Amino acid sequence: QKEVEQDPGPLSVPEGAIVSLNCTYSNSAFQYFMWYRQYSRKGPELLMYTYSSGNKEDGRFTAQVDKSSKYISLFIRDSQPSDSATYLCAMRYGNKLVFGAGTILRVKS
Amino acid sequence: EAGVVQSPRYKIIEKKQPVAFWCNPISGHNTLYWYLQNLGQGPELLIRYENEEAVDDSQLPKDRFSAERLKGVDSTLKIQPAELGDSAVYLCASSFSGGDNEQFFGPGTRLTVL
Repeated sequence: QKEVEQDPGPLSVPEGAIVSLNCTYSNSAFQYFMWYRQYSRKGPELLMYTYSSGNKEDGRFTAQVDKSSKYISLFIRDSQPSDSATYLCAMRYGNKLVFGAGTILRVKS
Repeated sequence: EAGVVQSPRYKIIEKKQPVAFWCNPISGHNTLYWYLQNLGQGPELLIRYENEEAVDDSQLPKDRFSAERLKGVDSTLKIQPAELGDSAVYLCASSFSGGDNEQFFGPGTRLTVL
């Protein structure tokens, strides 16, 4: 069993839709929870970062962590074509960063 | 500020040939990482450097892979000999020292082994 499992997708949604991306994890040692966005032919870039259970908002993006269920989510409101990318969840303890497999999102205009 | 620079961006080689990838981290970043990203997968750590010292190379296949970071700045990752299964994207990332600091990724080198 992988330490981090991510809903595989791909997802295709119309512009303006609310998108939900999800990951589960098995290692209770993970302390930090992140979402990266990776455009085609580019490296991942950090989108959201949190270390506690609950919600964290940044513009159209909301990261949600439920440590009791070992479940994290990223919500994108009013999705735009420019949001089309691969979204990777990632979790860290110490210097170890473990990524999910990624979910490809396509927002159609 | 310049980001992490990697070269080449693309490389196509025949199996059993050697190949090398180069990474220049963000200025001031003491920690450098090499990741492997297979198609449809997330990045997986190959090796982490703190300055010029490799502090985590447990996932590096040492029979064919080697890395160096002379002078604690630029780094080179080498494969010799390459196998078909090595076709992937090799990502370099850098950060300030300390596990809490954000890792910044380069664009990667896409390797195709024929």
